[in-house]
Amino acid sequence: EVQLVESGGGLVQPGGSLRLSCAASGFTFSSYSMNWVRQAPGKGLEWVSYISSSSSTIYYADSVKGRFTISRDNAKNSLYLQMNSLRAEDTAVYYCARDDNLDYWGQGTLVTVSS
Amino acid sequence: VIWMTQSPSLLSASTGDRVTISCRMSQGISSYLAWYQQKPGKAPELLIYAASTLQSGVPSRFSGSGSGTDFTLTISCLQSEDFATYYCQQYYSFPRTFGQGTKVEIK
Repeated sequence: EVQLVESGGGLVQPGGSLRLSCAASGFTFSSYSMNWVRQAPGKGLEWVSYISSSSSTIYYADSVKGRFTISRDNAKNSLYLQMNSLRAEDTAVYYCARDDNLDYWGQGTLVTVSS
Repeated sequence: VIWMTQSPSLLSASTGDRVTISCRMSQGISSYLAWYQQKPGKAPELLIYAASTLQSGVPSRFSGSGSGTDFTLTISCLQSEDFATYYCQQYYSFPRTFGQGTKVEIK
């Protein structure tokens, strides 16, 4: 069974940093690209970042470019999102999702940016 | 950036109804389109990919059609568990983009 489990969310002050993790199981993690998608409270879905299976190709949404860094460790079956210079508008539930068509999602982890 | 216009934003319907949700792209994306269902407090779930391919385990009352710039999600006979919010998403190019969402509510 494919499972994606996010962790690392929490309350952080504006300008602070946070590192999200996504633990994958039930499939060959190293064979799949991965994504981060977020959803602000009461709002729609926003794609955040993409990383290819080998980490050779990475993309970011303009809203996070230069502040967020996506990475993965295929040996640990894990995906990461390092978030720096956080802003109030980054407050959202962050989901990791597999592959180009986002066929499996984690349950999400809430990031709240507030003083 | 590929902009997406999803309509309607709110759809009131009854159990047993046939409902249709539209998604229009600002430029052609071939068939690189997916549809997701999201229930309150839950993660989205993939319903359809490649515009018309049903994800494993998804009931056959869901169907997708279209290519290029115009796409449609149809629920042939609405069930109680289908009241949710639906999103389209293109994966033709980066940045990936989602439609604004369609909330299907009980009439």
